[in-house]
Amino acid sequence: EDKVVQSPLSLVVHEGDTVTLNCSYEVTNFRSLLWYKQEKKAPTFLFMLTSSGIEKKSGRLSSILDKKELFSILNITATQTGDSAVYLCAVGTNRDDKIIFGKGTRLHILP
Amino acid sequence: GAVVSQHPSRVICKSGTSVKIECRSLDFQATTMFWYRQFPKKSLMLMATSNEGSKATYEQGVEKDKFLINHASLTLSTLTVTSAHPEDSSFYICSAQPNYGYTFGSGTRLTVV
Repeated sequence: EDKVVQSPLSLVVHEGDTVTLNCSYEVTNFRSLLWYKQEKKAPTFLFMLTSSGIEKKSGRLSSILDKKELFSILNITATQTGDSAVYLCAVGTNRDDKIIFGKGTRLHILP
Repeated sequence: GAVVSQHPSRVICKSGTSVKIECRSLDFQATTMFWYRQFPKKSLMLMATSNEGSKATYEQGVEKDKFLINHASLTLSTLTVTSAHPEDSSFYICSAQPNYGYTFGSGTRLTVV
């Protein structure tokens, strides 16, 4: 059975800290791994990763994929209170167009 | 680009009535759209895959007669919650796939009273 596991489930840090969120997966016919940020409503797209070892970066956020070890990390440096959200990891497969979501990491940044 | 518009954003209805939620791809064509349901503090659960011009594919445990999906055009999919009950109250989100990644609608908060 395909699954996506995120850790930790919840994380509380102080503003300015750096955080690393983890996502491991077991799927057949892997196509891509996606990271989303969800605040109050629908998730917003952060990154899509398809190749191992290539870091994707957007401002203070970065992510990398390891297809051999079947995991990805999302790093946020110099965190701000606006980074407080649930971060969702999802994996898309070639078998169909579905994506499988992890349960998310709830990140709370203290001022 | 790659915008998915979902409407309404919030709806309150009485038990036993039906509610229709629309999902439109504004600047791309979507032969496939996905409908998700989210429970509080939980991840998104795929309900069904909406296929333009054919029947939707429902995930195990999702009642197809209760959650009617219609994908009549390349830019519009609708989810109708029939004979709604309070336990159907939830946040429903649609998504579609433009050139890369997945784009989500803004979601619909359904409250059944």
